[in-house]
Amino acid sequence: DSGVTQTPKHLITATGQRVTLRCSPRSGDLSVYWYQQSLDQGLQFLIQYYNGEERAKGNILERFSAQQFPDLHSELNLSSLELGDSALYFCASSAGDSTEAFFGQGTRLTVV
Amino acid sequence: DQQVKQNSPSLSVQEGRISILNCDYTNSMFDYFLWYKKYPAEGPTFLISISSIKDKNEDGRFTVFLNKSAKHLSLHIVPSQPGDSAVYFCAADSGSARQLTFGSGTQLTVLP
Repeated sequence: DSGVTQTPKHLITATGQRVTLRCSPRSGDLSVYWYQQSLDQGLQFLIQYYNGEERAKGNILERFSAQQFPDLHSELNLSSLELGDSALYFCASSAGDSTEAFFGQGTRLTVV
Repeated sequence: DQQVKQNSPSLSVQEGRISILNCDYTNSMFDYFLWYKKYPAEGPTFLISISSIKDKNEDGRFTVFLNKSAKHLSLHIVPSQPGDSAVYFCAADSGSARQLTFGSGTQLTVLP
């Protein structure tokens, strides 16, 4: 158990809809990262938050947004969903800017 | 353009023998490299890392080698065990980016 909790584990939704994925980082970790893993693809970095502020941005679509709350949990919002958004979405956390990140079990999103 | 490449999608090795997983990168700004292991239905777990100031780091059965001039790193597992069967991701980071760039992964199968 990495200590990073993601909910829900599975999500099935229709095209055009909006969903919110939630992540609770390890106790004390200030950094939260979001990654997307599509079929047969590696892990694609989406975005990082550090202590409530956006720290780094990767290949995140404009339809996607994220935030980190004062209690350090984070949410990833995906809107106007398309079939191609079906993927595993992982959240990871680390103590600071240290690069050793601990991953949650992921949320499997299926868009039908 | 993939900055971190794992050109072998799969590798099979006999139990007790050496497993060698390879990774190439293109961004010369990367200065920290990590290997993650991922079992099905679980998030990636950190395995071993190496800083660009070193050319080797060892932790038990796992050794990572870094060849900066060739922009190549490898993970050696000796001896390989069936429980090592998993997908192995190579990742790289540059201090200024504060994000991990992952390869597409190599599925290692250790045959009993």
